[in-house]
Amino acid sequence: NAGVTQTPKFRVLKTGQSMTLLCAQDMNHEYMYWYRQDPGMGLRLIHYSVGEGTTAKGEVPDGYNVSRLKKQNFLLGLESAAPSQTSVYFCASREHSGPSRNIQYFGAGTRLSVL
Amino acid sequence: DQQVKQNSPSLSVQEGRISILNCDYTNSMFDYFLWYKKYPAEGPTFLISISSIKDKNEDGRFTVFLNKSAKHLSLHIVPSQPGDSAVYFCAALFTGGGNKLTFGTGTQLKVEL
Repeated sequence: NAGVTQTPKFRVLKTGQSMTLLCAQDMNHEYMYWYRQDPGMGLRLIHYSVGEGTTAKGEVPDGYNVSRLKKQNFLLGLESAAPSQTSVYFCASREHSGPSRNIQYFGAGTRLSVL
Repeated sequence: DQQVKQNSPSLSVQEGRISILNCDYTNSMFDYFLWYKKYPAEGPTFLISISSIKDKNEDGRFTVFLNKSAKHLSLHIVPSQPGDSAVYFCAALFTGGGNKLTFGTGTQLKVEL
């Protein structure tokens, strides 16, 4: 039972490079989220999706793009990485309805360093 | 503008004693609250939650208390065990507003033998 899987686990980029972080969930959840976590701060929402083909901005969307072409996958893209994007990125998902609809389930994270 | 605050960055407790982690919020629209536990190099895992229509929810060793008038919630762990050593995040959401979680900054709990 994999749950939420994030790839890669670690990545080092040079300023200006681009990359895509992949999140995959096998729980048939409608909603998916991307967060970043920085030292001394809680998790902050970057973008989210309420279903296949939809995306919306969160609290800190600048410098990121996302796509949800398939229900089980949510991609986070950095077009031109900046040192300020050095962070740990977490993906989460939740179901649309039911007793657990308010609970988000998280992946193990991707640690990104931008030099 | 931190809408969810955990003012204690760290807490140290002896094994077998009670751990009390606190959380304050400012947004009165929040109506559902969760606690997540996070070990190093892992993602946050859901621990326990409470709806604003309740003032207490219990699950084994873990109890969450909600005081809406004070906009305060707390997590009690009794008895504390070494395996409870982790970072605990408080999170809040408005169920009518897209269910976006707002997290506190976390409290590092260390349970000592």
